[in-house]
Amino acid sequence: EAGVTQFPSHSVIEKGQTVTLRCDPISGHDNLYWYRRVMGKEIKFLLHFVKESKQDESGMPNNRFLAERTGGTYSTLKVQPAELEDSGVYFCASSQDTGTIYEQYFGPGTRLTVT
Amino acid sequence: RKEVEQDPGPFNVPEGATVAFNCTYSNSASQSFFWYRQDCRKEPKLLMSVYSSGNEDGRFTAQLNRASQYISLLIRDSKLSDSATYLCVVRTSGTYKYIFGTGTRLKVLA
Repeated sequence: EAGVTQFPSHSVIEKGQTVTLRCDPISGHDNLYWYRRVMGKEIKFLLHFVKESKQDESGMPNNRFLAERTGGTYSTLKVQPAELEDSGVYFCASSQDTGTIYEQYFGPGTRLTVT
Repeated sequence: RKEVEQDPGPFNVPEGATVAFNCTYSNSASQSFFWYRQDCRKEPKLLMSVYSSGNEDGRFTAQLNRASQYISLLIRDSKLSDSATYLCVVRTSGTYKYIFGTGTRLKVLA
């Protein structure tokens, strides 16, 4: 079974530009999450989709970030315009609801550098 | 105060040693608990979920103490391949989002 995949693996952009990150969850996983790790800090939650619906957006830092999951399959996270503080590693994760544990499986991440 | 606190380490131990990590959480409504392993510049990988009764998977044992709000991970007979950062993760009741600790670095020395 294929794991969570993310594209691109690395992105270097200039301040003010736009970047779109993509995540493909594990097939059959309705739940999809975005997290971010900025240098020196812990991994932090951004948002959670159930199928195509945003269930929890409480971690989105500001309105420069837009996440979508049209059709309930893959998701995109767009940053527009990018700022220096947006640099970090963006992880996507997915999970099934098979009980009360809700184990999440992470993709390899996209390393974003804003210069 | 961070919601999930871990000693960042590093813990440098010889091969074959037993090492234990603790993690404390501040929200008493926390419901699910996990240990993830993260290798350098890689994604977190689920090591084990932590159950109320404690659980063991080979050389790894996890314990949960709800009264004191801490979770522990014990690694017996450490291998060189156990060198990694171990992330303590908590999920609060009513949400799906994970709250991560900063991680504890382990280096197993030959």
